[in-house]
Amino acid sequence: GDSVTQMEGPVTLSEEAFLTINCTYTATGYPSLFWYVQYPGEGLQLLLKATKADDKGSNKGFEATYRKETTSFHLEKGSVQVSDSAVYFCALGRRNTDKLIFGTGTRLQVFP
Amino acid sequence: EPEVTQTPSHQVTQMGQEVILRCVPISNHLYFYWYRQILGQKVEFLVSFYNNEISEKSEIFDDQFSVERPDGSNFTLKIRSTKLEDSAMYFCASSELGRATDTQYFGPGTRLTVL
Repeated sequence: GDSVTQMEGPVTLSEEAFLTINCTYTATGYPSLFWYVQYPGEGLQLLLKATKADDKGSNKGFEATYRKETTSFHLEKGSVQVSDSAVYFCALGRRNTDKLIFGTGTRLQVFP
Repeated sequence: EPEVTQTPSHQVTQMGQEVILRCVPISNHLYFYWYRQILGQKVEFLVSFYNNEISEKSEIFDDQFSVERPDGSNFTLKIRSTKLEDSAMYFCASSELGRATDTQYFGPGTRLTVL
């Protein structure tokens, strides 16, 4: 069945460092792909999404490109801030179902 | 900005007791969902709800679980007889359109602890 695999955390970075959080998926066809972020004490918020191969989702300086050939949707940011400290979830969704399939989440800690 | 709210933020209960988790979805949304996350594990889909009936459910959502929209604003998840393994964070979500390709908006979660 469909699944999502994320790199394990925590990821610890200094402010202004480059961020990559890896996400790969297993699925047939062309699912939609999402990155959600959970700040402390808050719910899961959609960060960005991509609905077809080679689409790039972007928001708040974060980017991810839907790579069908490598079944990946890695999250990147050129310069992280302390306020980016959160848990990041990669997820997959299909048109023929209501359920999102999530990865385990990756905790990012950014220090000044 | 509209948001999904959940109450309580933390619920502690004894094994075998019934609990009701409450959610207020975004007002113009028609599709509602419950997910849960056991500590250290993935966020898992439980159930979706549309037009006052269950649209889809996972194998986790067995007879001890039920959902209801008792009025025009609340959406509830009831666990009839809690077990230790029900301890988890429960997330409610809503969306304007159905299917998992539409954006689902999540609440902050209710942490359920079963003793």
